[in-house]
Amino acid sequence: AQTVTQSQPEMSVQEAETVTLSCTYDTSESDYYLFWYKQPPSRQMILVIRQEAYKQQNATENRFSVNFQKAAKSFSLKISDSQLGDAAMYFCAYRGETSGSRLTFGEGTQLTVNP
Amino acid sequence: DSGVTQTPKHLITATGQRVTLRCSPRSGDLSVYWYQQSLDQGLQFLIQYYNGEERAKGNILERFSAQQFPDLHSELNLSSLELGDSALYFCASSVSPGSTYEQYFGPGTRLTVT
Repeated sequence: AQTVTQSQPEMSVQEAETVTLSCTYDTSESDYYLFWYKQPPSRQMILVIRQEAYKQQNATENRFSVNFQKAAKSFSLKISDSQLGDAAMYFCAYRGETSGSRLTFGEGTQLTVNP
Repeated sequence: DSGVTQTPKHLITATGQRVTLRCSPRSGDLSVYWYQQSLDQGLQFLIQYYNGEERAKGNILERFSAQQFPDLHSELNLSSLELGDSALYFCASSVSPGSTYEQYFGPGTRLTVT
């Protein structure tokens, strides 16, 4: 079974600084997708960024970028120029071709942004 | 707004009771997923439907059941409720069940069992 691990329960960053959230996963599948979801206090699940495993280029969405290391099964999220609105719980998630289209989530990292 | 709607937003009920959570997918989406977010278990997949048919099952208890209706809305039925069933229940939808298709999450239903 696939597993996703986020080893940082909590992280904090100063406004305008950069922070990196870590995620590792375990899978025997060759085709899969990785995601970062943001869950603000409203509890809504918001997709931040996605990465296809077959793509070598790291995904980027504005201030959000990932460092995808397929061999190491690592998928970290970098938030640049952190803003107060970035404060939220961040979940790393996995979805594989052969395991169906279910999402498997990590435990989450609570990000605090300090003014 | 993801376009996925869930009702009710909040539900408070007693142990032993039965409740029904409702989800309407985004227009055009044929696949519906249910997830449970609890303090103990984190976020976990419960069940998936595609065009009215059950497609995949996750860690769903036997006391829980779901269905997807011809108009594509879905209901999650939770019976013989226990305190540990208190959680946030999310519905998500996608165009198709394949893993290339994005899942869009609803706002969730917060269930409190007292």
